[in-house]
Amino acid sequence: GQNIDQPTEMTATEGAIVQINCTYQTSGFNGLFWYQQHAGEAPTFLSYNVLDGLEEKGRFSSFLSRSKGYSYLLLKELQMKDSASYLCAVMSGYNKLIFGAGTRLAVHP
Amino acid sequence: EAQVTQNPRYLITVTGKKLTVTCSQNMNHEYMSWYRQDPGLGLRQIYYSMNVEVTDKGDVPEGYKVSRKEKRNFPLILESPSPNQTSLYFCASTDRDSTDTQYFGPGTRLTVL
Repeated sequence: GQNIDQPTEMTATEGAIVQINCTYQTSGFNGLFWYQQHAGEAPTFLSYNVLDGLEEKGRFSSFLSRSKGYSYLLLKELQMKDSASYLCAVMSGYNKLIFGAGTRLAVHP
Repeated sequence: EAQVTQNPRYLITVTGKKLTVTCSQNMNHEYMSWYRQDPGLGLRQIYYSMNVEVTDKGDVPEGYKVSRKEKRNFPLILESPSPNQTSLYFCASTDRDSTDTQYFGPGTRLTVL
């Protein structure tokens, strides 16, 4: 079967660092995506990993270990506007994107 | 401005009344998809299309139809809606030239009574 697991909810303090983990078991692997989704809005692209290692993009970084079926999204210098759901998704085949249920992050002052 | 548009954004209907949700993209993408999003389940793919007149089932296609007569448009059709199709629907188009990134429309919140 195809399975993507991520925590349901997380809380963090403004200015802090938070790491959102994602583990996956899929029939194929052509890359892993992280999307941000504010309540009632469309998901927006954050990052893409296809090779092992860390991809850094401003305050956001994403890590991938294909052998462990594991990724994380690291958010630094948290801001209130980072309160949102973060979706982990694996491209398991040709245009076949499998999403996790999402992690709802609440950032407090 | 590059975008994916959907209409309507909100719809309340009754069981059995056929409806169509339109989706249009102006980025000349070949690949388009429809998803539904339900609490605790994440986004699930309903149908996808790799090009004009080429469509295929995703994970939850039952009760839905699609068509792709033009590259820019990919409507979702519910021939006989039922209450279990109450959900938030997203259309997406994929930029195959850039890491297969999917661009999502604003969503359509559908309630079937």
